[in-house]
Amino acid sequence: AQKITQTQPGMFVQEKEAVTLDCTYDTSDPSYGLFWYKQPSSGEMIFLIYQGSYDQQNATEGRYSLNFQKARKSANLVISASQLGDSAMYFCAMRTRSSASKIIFGSGTRLSIRP
Amino acid sequence: DAGVIQSPRHEVTEMGQEVTLRCKPISGHNSLFWYRQTMMRGLELLIYFNNNVPIDDSGMPEDRFSAKMPNASFSTLKIQPSEPRDSAVYFCASTSGANEQYFGPGTRLTVT
Repeated sequence: AQKITQTQPGMFVQEKEAVTLDCTYDTSDPSYGLFWYKQPSSGEMIFLIYQGSYDQQNATEGRYSLNFQKARKSANLVISASQLGDSAMYFCAMRTRSSASKIIFGSGTRLSIRP
Repeated sequence: DAGVIQSPRHEVTEMGQEVTLRCKPISGHNSLFWYRQTMMRGLELLIYFNNNVPIDDSGMPEDRFSAKMPNASFSTLKIQPSEPRDSAVYFCASTSGANEQYFGPGTRLTVT
C-alpha cells in the first residue's frame, strides 16, 4: 500500500529561523517521486519542490530543500531563513510508477511564522 | 500561460440542486485531476483522466457525482442532486505526466 504520513499537524517557528517539516512515505515501488506543496490562506496549491527516487542529490529550490533519506523513507522539507509569508499549510505527496499520474497527499502541516 | 482555470470560484446552492464545476487544464497537459478538500478528510482525489479518458474514478463518493472530459481543454464535475455534505473546495489539476501537478484556484462549494 502507498501512504504518506505527516506527523506534525502544526508548528510555530520564529521568523528567520530554519524549519523542517517531516514526511515519511511507504511504497514497494522502486520508482517514485516526492513532492511538496504549499497552501496559503488564500487557498491555492503551490508546487514547491520535487525529488525523484533515483536522484543522487537532494533537491533544492531557493530557500527550499528536500532532505531525502531513502533508507528511512523520509522526505523532509527544509525551509531556510523563514519569512512571515511562509505561514501556510504544507503537503507532502508521492507518485509511483505503478500509479501512473496519480498522486497521493499527506494530511498536511500548518506552519505559523512568528515575527 | 494562464494556468489551470476553474469556474465558478464560489458556488452557493440549495440542497437538491444540480451543480456543475468547470475546468480548463493547461494547454498541452494530457492528465487532469479532480480533488475535493475538506477539513475533516483533507485532500481527496475524486477522479483523473489521461488523454480525455477516465482512468481511476474510485474516489468518486457516490453516483450523484459524475465527471466528463469531452476534449483536451475542458472538463466538468457534476453533482446531482447536491447535499450539504458536499460542501468543500474542489480543485482541478493538470500535468504533462512529467513531475508536478498544477492546481487551479479551486471552487468553493456551499450547499445549504
